[in-house]
Amino acid sequence: QSVLTQPPSVSGAPGQRVTISCTGSSSNIGAGYDVHWYQQLPGTAPKLLIYDNTNRPSGVPDRFSGSKSGTSASLAITGLQGEDEADYYCQSYDSSLSAMVFGGGTKLTVL
Amino acid sequence: EVQLVESGGGLVQPGGSLRLSCAASGFTFSSYAMSWVRQAPGRGLEWVSSISGSGGGTYYADSVKGRFTISRDSSKNTLYLQMNSLRAEDTAVYYCAKPEKTGAIRTPGMDVWGKGTTVTVSS
Repeated sequence: QSVLTQPPSVSGAPGQRVTISCTGSSSNIGAGYDVHWYQQLPGTAPKLLIYDNTNRPSGVPDRFSGSKSGTSASLAITGLQGEDEADYYCQSYDSSLSAMVFGGGTKLTVL
Repeated sequence: EVQLVESGGGLVQPGGSLRLSCAASGFTFSSYAMSWVRQAPGRGLEWVSSISGSGGGTYYADSVKGRFTISRDSSKNTLYLQMNSLRAEDTAVYYCAKPEKTGAIRTPGMDVWGKGTTVTVSS
């Protein structure tokens, strides 16, 4: 069981918008720690998509956006493309565990 | 170009040891904390360990505490992970990762990852 909870899978048709949730608790997201998001294509290393809740590294399309509220965070992907098919992970810090923590991952399927 | 290249993975018997290395280039290595993150086959990402830029602060996941040791050599721009008393559940791809900002150790996002090195613990 991951400390941060993500849906195992989401799907959407090309051009649509999808969101991936990341639910934590008062010792991690709710405590104010930042949330970061990664995209992992099959057989490759994770790639940073969103850092500090809402910021995109240079080169990441603005189709990707992040938000945070209370004990949860979300990643939104608009204008879905086939190349977006991947696993997505959220990351934060948990003060009770004194550990960097990841969500269990969400597999995005583009229909 | 900012780059991280891991090495040292392989097949080891339960109870054995391995030392992983991560060669860094393209950035001021000593200014950044560094981390190891692993991914078991078909599973998600799991934080393993982090070390401060100076090397004076080290942090471990409970699952590896007392068995793994993280260290760094700034003269060689290299990060290490000494893994002892290995178990089957340590089987994974091990990634080293650089944070996107200096100063923070376990809280920042990781903007540079190596390709990973595979550790298999099996008899």
